[in-house]
Amino acid sequence: GAGVSQSPSNKVTEKGKDVELRCDPISGHTALYWYRQSLGQGLEFLIYFQGNSAPDKSGLPSDRFSAERTGGSVSTLTIQRTQQEDSAVYLCASSLVGQGSNEQFFGPGTRLTVL
Amino acid sequence: RKEVEQDPGPFNVPEGATVAFNCTYSNSASQSFFWYRQDCRKEPKLLMSVYSSGNEDGRFTAQLNRASQYISLLIRDSKLSDSATYLCVVNIRNSGYALNFGKGTSLLVTP
Repeated sequence: GAGVSQSPSNKVTEKGKDVELRCDPISGHTALYWYRQSLGQGLEFLIYFQGNSAPDKSGLPSDRFSAERTGGSVSTLTIQRTQQEDSAVYLCASSLVGQGSNEQFFGPGTRLTVL
Repeated sequence: RKEVEQDPGPFNVPEGATVAFNCTYSNSASQSFFWYRQDCRKEPKLLMSVYSSGNEDGRFTAQLNRASQYISLLIRDSKLSDSATYLCVVNIRNSGYALNFGKGTSLLVTP
């Protein structure tokens, strides 16, 4: 079956521009997570959705970052006024239910480069 | 202090060797434990969950020591295809919260 998909796969933008990253989770997965991975760093949690609500936004690094999820499915991560330090691979994952013991399936990521 | 710590390696081993990776975690409230594998420029994929009783999947054995807050992964009879970065992963609560990832241990298996 189809896995988690993300678009675009690569995004190059200029400092100060806004970007939108999209995630399509596995059908039927109610939990959705955004992470980012900077060069030489481990994965860093950003935000978690259960259905359309986000009970945990604690990882968003600043108010320039926001995310939404509609219809319990697709999610969009928006970064406003991008900075060079935002350059990273943004990974989306989904799991069947919001339980920590459930496997999280990752998408291929969006590689963001801010010039 | 980072919540999940791993030796970054790289570990360079010949085919057929046995190699062990270790990981420590700082939060005693951690509930779920995993090893993920990440190939170069690819997304992480679950290798195996780690249970208190220890568990084995083919050539891979994972152990958890809650008292020492220590997790291990043993790979026997290494294959070239085992070359990857191995991520130690911890979940604080079984409530859908985020996974905490170590930075990973790099393994290169050579002919």
